[in-house]
Amino acid sequence: GAGVSQTPSNKVTEKGKYVELRCDPISGHTALYWYRQSLGQGPEFLIYFQGTGAADDSGLPNDRFFAVRPEGSVSTLKIQRTERGDSAVYLCASSLNNPTASGHTGELFFGEGSRLTVL
Amino acid sequence: AQKVTQAQTEISVVEKEDVTLDCVYETRDTTYYLFWYKQPPSGELVFLIRRNSFDEQNEISGRYSWNFQKSTSSFNFTITASQVVDSAVYFCALRPRGGGSQGNLIFGKGTKLSVKP
Repeated sequence: GAGVSQTPSNKVTEKGKYVELRCDPISGHTALYWYRQSLGQGPEFLIYFQGTGAADDSGLPNDRFFAVRPEGSVSTLKIQRTERGDSAVYLCASSLNNPTASGHTGELFFGEGSRLTVL
Repeated sequence: AQKVTQAQTEISVVEKEDVTLDCVYETRDTTYYLFWYKQPPSGELVFLIRRNSFDEQNEISGRYSWNFQKSTSSFNFTITASQVVDSAVYFCALRPRGGGSQGNLIFGKGTKLSVKP
């Protein structure tokens, strides 16, 4: 597609349930990022993929959160045993190559996010 | 510590007024990048500008201009002759170059700009 696509756009679940959020990056973008944005806050980094591997997962809050990108394109963010505090908008972004490579503009292209509500 | 502070939570102006959004950052790195993103009500963050730490030239793009002052660790954003379509939340962000993640953007809390007709 033309931009970063995220599904579902809205997800309501009950406390304790398992949730998967999907991100389809811009074709050809090797770098993929997940961020979480709580109400009234800026996005907070969760994890960054370069190709299939997680180059940095230091932002994942605990072991209930996990993300994969098995073929270096689509990524899935998985949240186990959801808690009310997990409610937020989960943003995915992609970019060309390594963001600090010479000549890279540094621009991340963001999707519209998946709004997760845990009741 | 790596941190971005946007002290203005909300700003309201009348169309055609000029408005400046403040951004102050903290980093120990000597090389870093600064960004501004716009988030309209649709939620999608839109890239506006990137500035390298070694380039302190100010930049103008149409009605938008950016003032980078390394001495005060500030990267302020001015909209001239504001329009209703400028209404959005604006985020300043920092990407440190050295150490840590090379992919991590550190965002401020954002400034919500409302432009009234």
